[in-house]
Order: sequence, then structure tokens, then C-alpha cells
Amino acid sequence: AQSVAQPEDQVNVAEGNPLTVKCTYSVSGNPYLFWYVQYPNRGLQFLLKYITGDNLVKGSYGFEAEFNKSQTSFHLKKPSALVSDSALYFCAVRDSLHRDKLVFGAGTILRVKS
Amino acid sequence: DAGVTQSPTHLIKTRGQQVTLRCSPKSGHDTVSWYQQALGQGPQFIFQYYEEEERQRGNFPDRFSGHQFPNYSSELNVNALLLGDSALYLCASSLWGGGTGELFFGEGSRLTVL
Repeated sequence: AQSVAQPEDQVNVAEGNPLTVKCTYSVSGNPYLFWYVQYPNRGLQFLLKYITGDNLVKGSYGFEAEFNKSQTSFHLKKPSALVSDSALYFCAVRDSLHRDKLVFGAGTILRVKS
Repeated sequence: DAGVTQSPTHLIKTRGQQVTLRCSPKSGHDTVSWYQQALGQGPQFIFQYYEEEERQRGNFPDRFSGHQFPNYSSELNVNALLLGDSALYLCASSLWGGGTGELFFGEGSRLTVL
């Protein structure tokens, strides 16, 4: 079965510093990987996805993610964090058998302090 | 371009009651999926509707049922509510057969069961 793990419940970073939110995955076959962000009392917003191709994927709001097949990781990164980036981030993998069924990690809270 | 809309945004029910949640997909989309997000957890897939039929189902009991209408909108019904059904219910829309699994989410309906 497909699964993702987000090993950190919370990540703290100072404004202007680079940030990384970690995600590892377990899939059978080629992985379809996603990052979503959730602000308080809001739905999920799509940030970026990896399907195939370049291992560095660029997404919304200056975020990017690095796909590493050998380490089965898909870490979310941003070169310079903003206070407004503070939110809950979810990594997800598409189910191998069922289109549109995403399997989500437990989420990582990102806190950016000024 | 209207995004995914859900109603109601908040509701409170008591154990044993029934609830209906509604969703209108993003313009141009024909497929609706429902997810349950319990407090502190990632969203979990409930089921998916396309062409007014349930196409995929997650690990949820039969108390959870749904419907899709000819205009692609959808309802989620939960019968015999339990305290554990308290959660944020997210609707996601997509285009059947198109794209690579990216879902567009609504803001959710927060259900509290007392």
C-alpha cells in the first residue's frame, strides 16, 4: 500500500532563512507525489507535484521540492522563509490503483518567526 | 472562475442524528471526492463520485453515503452519528481521465458531534 511519512510534527525557522519540510514515501511503481498547504480553518491548497522528469520541482509561492528516488524522499524547500508561510503542510502520494485517491501524511506545522 | 464550494461551513449535531454536507466542484470538473480530516491528522479518503456513481471507496462504514447530481455537485450523508465522526470534511474536485491527480479542495465543512 502507498504511504508517506512526515517525520517532524513541527519545524521552526527564522524569517529569511531557508526551510525544509521532510517527507518520505513508500510506493509500488512510479510515485506521484504532492505537497499541499493548509492555513487555519481553511481547506487544502495545492503547492506542487512530482510526476516524472526533473528531480527539482518548482511550485507556488516560491516553494520547491526535491525528489530523491534512492532515499525515497520528497522534501519541500524554500530558500527564504516568510512569516506568512506559517501553516500546516501535507505530503501526499497518489494511490497506485485508484485515481484521485491521495494518501496523506500526518502533516508538519511550519512556524516562521520574525 | 468559481472554485470548489462547500456548505455548511460549520454545524453541530448530536449522537445518532444524520447530517448532509454539500459540494459544488470547480467549474469544468466532473469528479468529486470526499475526505475526512480528524483533528491533528491528515485527510483520509472516503469515496469518489463520477457520472453519478460511486467509483472508489475508502475504509469507511456504510453509515457514510453519497450522491452526485447531473450538474456534478455532490452530497455526503452520514447516518447514526458518533462522537468520532467529528472532523473537517473536505470535498475535492477533478476532471475524470485528465491530469495527474492534482485535486482542488474546498474550504471544508466542520462537523461537531456532541
